[in-house]
Amino acid sequence: AQSVAQPEDQVNVAEGNPLTVKCTYSVSGNPYLFWYVQYPNRGLQFLLKYITGDNLVKGSYGFEAEFNKSQTSFHLKKPSALVSDSALYFCAVSLTSGTYKYIFGTGTRLKVLA
Amino acid sequence: DTEVTQTPKHLVMGMTNKKSLKCEQHMGHRAMYWYKQKAKKPPELMFVYSYEKLSINESVPSRFSPECPNSSLLNLHLHALQPEDSALYLCASSQDGDRKSNQPQHFGDGTRLSIL
Repeated sequence: AQSVAQPEDQVNVAEGNPLTVKCTYSVSGNPYLFWYVQYPNRGLQFLLKYITGDNLVKGSYGFEAEFNKSQTSFHLKKPSALVSDSALYFCAVSLTSGTYKYIFGTGTRLKVLA
Repeated sequence: DTEVTQTPKHLVMGMTNKKSLKCEQHMGHRAMYWYKQKAKKPPELMFVYSYEKLSINESVPSRFSPECPNSSLLNLHLHALQPEDSALYLCASSQDGDRKSNQPQHFGDGTRLSIL
């Protein structure tokens, strides 16, 4: 079965420290990979995506993600966390077969401590 | 501010009521989506419209009835809902066509629905 895993339900990091939110996937073929963030009482906001090319993708609000094909991972990173980054983060995978559907990870709650 | 607008933001209804959720976007997107999201869980796809035609129905109970009157509007008609239908209902839109799989989806802020 095709799946996306976010192994940490919650990640705590001190403000100013680097943060990593992990995502691994198990799908056939070469999928497209996305990160979304959800703040309380809001919808999901698109952060970045990997389609092809450079393994390091830069996105909104200073976030970046590193695609690793051999490890089937797409970890979200930020060099210096802000308290305002505290939110729920979802990794999503879209298959390349012309589909509208995402396979979502279970979500990781990021808490940045002042 | 989100570019996908959903109304109402909150809705409380009884199990015998009929109500509708509305979604509007003016980004020229031709794919529009309804999702259901429970607390702290990922969104679950319900319906997809492509060029105003229903493309995907994820075996959603008939008490949920989608409608796409034009390329900018998406409605979700609700009737005889159950308490377990209480959730956040999210609308999203994206570019359609050959590259639809690699296009990000743009989400509204949702309607928080409570069934009494």
